[in-house]
Parts: sequence; structure tokens; C-alpha cells
Amino acid sequence: DSGVTQTPKHLITATGQRVTLRCSPRSGDLSVYWYQQSLDQGLQFLIQYYNGEERAKGNILERFSAQQFPDLHSELNLSSLELGDSALYFCASSEQYNSPLHFGNGTRLTVT
Amino acid sequence: GESVGLHLPTLSVQEGDNSIINCAYSNSASDYFIWYKQESGKGPQFIIDIRSNMDKRQGQRVTVLLNKTVKHLSLQIAATQPGDSAVYFCAESDSGNTPLVFGKGTRLSVIA
Repeated sequence: DSGVTQTPKHLITATGQRVTLRCSPRSGDLSVYWYQQSLDQGLQFLIQYYNGEERAKGNILERFSAQQFPDLHSELNLSSLELGDSALYFCASSEQYNSPLHFGNGTRLTVT
Repeated sequence: GESVGLHLPTLSVQEGDNSIINCAYSNSASDYFIWYKQESGKGPQFIIDIRSNMDKRQGQRVTVLLNKTVKHLSLQIAATQPGDSAVYFCAESDSGNTPLVFGKGTRLSVIA
């Protein structure tokens, strides 16, 4: 068990809808990362937060947004969903930059 | 379980043999490298990491080798066991500039 908790485990929704994925990092970790994993793209970095502030941004679509709250949990919001957004979404946390990321077990999003 | 990367390169080894999984990285500024193991239906699990001031690091049954000259990383697993069957990812980071960037992954299949 990595100590990173993601909910829900599965989400099935329709195109055009909006969903929120939630992540609780390991106790004491200030950094939270979101990654998207699809069959043909591997693990793609979306966004990173550190102690509530956005630290780095990757290939995150404008339809997607995230935030980290004062209690350090994070939410990833996906809106105007398209079929191509179907993927596994992973959250990870770390103690500091350039230390191992510890991943949750992901949220499987299916857009129909 | 969930299949990740149906078109990944696959390495098949006999139980008890040693496994070597290779990874080429592209960013010559990368100075931190990690190997992850991902089992079906789970998030990536940290195996071992190495910094660019080292060329070899050993863990329990695993060894990571780093060749900065040719930008190559390898993971050696000794006495491979059925439980080692999984997809293995290398990841790299450029200190202070980018979060972890993941390679495409290699599927390890252990033949009992």
C-alpha cells in the first residue's frame, strides 16, 4: 500500500459531462502529481501542486483543471468530456522534488 | 485486471533466471532516474532509484545501472519469480525543472 488514496476507482459517464477525481496524498507529502495513462500514450504528466500552489504543468487540456486544498488533498476536474478522455488517471505524492513518487491505484474513467 | 499498453515490448524469462530490462533516455540534463513496476489494476510501484553521480545501485534482488555516456539505464532482476511479472517503466527527471517523465514500458513475463 503506497499510502496514496484515490476515489472513485471507476467512473462511467457520457460525453459532455464533468467529473471530479479525488486524491489524498501520503501523510507528510506536500507535493501532489496527476498523471494520465492510456493504452497508446503511456503515463503522461498533467500537473503538479506543492503545498497548495501549482508548481508545474504538463500536457493538461484547458478542459481539465486541478487544485490542492489546505489539507493537502487534491482534486482533478475534467469537463466537456470526450471519448478520448477515457483513461486511467493516477495521483502520486512525494516528500520533495526529485524524490520517488508514490502512486495511488488510479481512477478508471470511461466516457461513453 | 486492466491491461496496460497492449503493444508494449515484452521480455519473457524462465523462472529463476536473471532479467535485464533496458531503457534509453533522451534528456542529457536528466540527473535522477527511477524504475517502477506496474501490476494489472494497480498504480506504478517504486522499485529503485539512482542519481547521476552514481553508475550502479543495488537493492533487494534488483540492480540499476546507469550509463550517462550513451544515455542508457537498465534494471536487472536476479532469480526472477512469477510475482515479478508486470510492466516495468523507467522514468527520468531534470532536477528542479521537470517532474518525472516516463518511458513507454516493458512487459516482463515469467515462465514457470
